[in-house]
Amino acid sequence: KAGVTQTPRYLIKTRGQQVTLSCSPISGHRSVSWYQQTPGQGLQFLFEYFSETQRNKGNFPGRFSGRQFSNSRSEMNVSTLELGDSALYLCASSLAAGANVLTFGAGSRLTVL
Amino acid sequence: SQQGEEDPQALSIQEGENATMNCSYKTSINNLQWYRQNSGRGLVHLILIRSNEREKHSGRLRVTLDTSKKSSSLLITASRAADTASYFCATDGGANNLFFGTGTRLTVIP
Repeated sequence: KAGVTQTPRYLIKTRGQQVTLSCSPISGHRSVSWYQQTPGQGLQFLFEYFSETQRNKGNFPGRFSGRQFSNSRSEMNVSTLELGDSALYLCASSLAAGANVLTFGAGSRLTVL
Repeated sequence: SQQGEEDPQALSIQEGENATMNCSYKTSINNLQWYRQNSGRGLVHLILIRSNEREKHSGRLRVTLDTSKKSSSLLITASRAADTASYFCATDGGANNLFFGTGTRLTVIP
């Protein structure tokens, strides 16, 4: 079966712009989590959605938001981009909500200039 | 921070040797997982060990867990060049999401 699909894979934005990243989970998986990975901070939890509801949120500013659709696909949005937002954004899905085994997508690499 | 720490940060070995990496964490856990990440790609789940288990095997992987010391180790036996990757431990820390460690970068030299 198809894995977790993230689009776009690479993108370049400038400071002040906004960006929307998309994630399609494995069929049947209802939980989608987002992580930010940077060389300095490592992997940091952004948020988790389950059945279209945000269940958990990490310690990120309100510029970072997300949503989940009825087909479990998820999007995350970052507004007013800053240089420090340059990172690999990873989406992961799982059958159930919570700290379960995650299946990751290949990531979306965002570069902010 | 609930983030774990892996040790060493980097490890370089010859093909065929064993590789051992360690993970220390700070809070009580329900389970601990290990993931592998090839350069710039997504993470791949390797193995999960529950807090009431002490050792678990999966193919060439052996994971141990010592909850009294809040530490875990991952042993990869008879390493191959394809094992070259970064390895991360992840814990729940009693929360509803996973906290990932800082990672060990393993290089296996053919």
